[in-house]
Amino acid sequence: QVQLVESGGGVVQPGRSLRVSCVASGFSFSDYGIHWVRQVPGKGLEWVAVISDDGSIIYYRDSVKGRFTISRDNSKNTVYLQMRSLRPEDTAVYYCAKDEHNFGYNFHQWGQGTLVTVSS
Amino acid sequence: EVILTQSPATLSLSPGERATLSCRASQRVSIYLAWYQQKPGQAPRLLIHDASNRATGIPARFSGSGSGTDFTLTISSLEPEDFAVYYCQQRSTFGGGTKVEIK
Repeated sequence: QVQLVESGGGVVQPGRSLRVSCVASGFSFSDYGIHWVRQVPGKGLEWVAVISDDGSIIYYRDSVKGRFTISRDNSKNTVYLQMRSLRPEDTAVYYCAKDEHNFGYNFHQWGQGTLVTVSS
Repeated sequence: EVILTQSPATLSLSPGERATLSCRASQRVSIYLAWYQQKPGQAPRLLIHDASNRATGIPARFSGSGSGTDFTLTISSLEPEDFAVYYCQQRSTFGGGTKVEIK
């Protein structure tokens, strides 16, 4: 069955960097776009970024442009989110989610999430 | 950018009752709207995509309707496991959520 497993979260100081990963299994990984969606604990959902099946097309929300980089390694069935210049407002659970195609923006499967806490 | 407004913020109902959740878009989005359910400590789960299409494995008591700017998620008869938060979503935008709680 489809499985997405995030890792790499933790506590990081403001201004520092962190990379979270999403390892996929159970489907043909290189055929699907993958998104990152975050959620401040107790709050709503916020879309962060998407990468196309071959990694050639990428979109970000405005508040992370220039600070976050999404990438993928199809040989490892893995998507990464490199986060730089982190701010307290980036504190959230970060979920990866599989698109129905490339940019259908219907998130059919989600990982369990990894918590990123930005605090001094 | 589209803004999605969900109402009510909280819905207090008893098991067996019908739940009607609303999502209004700030501009027309055709049928491109999805609904998710989220329980505490869990990731969201896709219920409905393209306004009215149930995702794989979703029970028939969940139905979606609407097009343009006004959308509805209906749970025909609430089961105990349906008490959760529900979000609508259109591309990169999510609504603020409706919490369905036990009355």
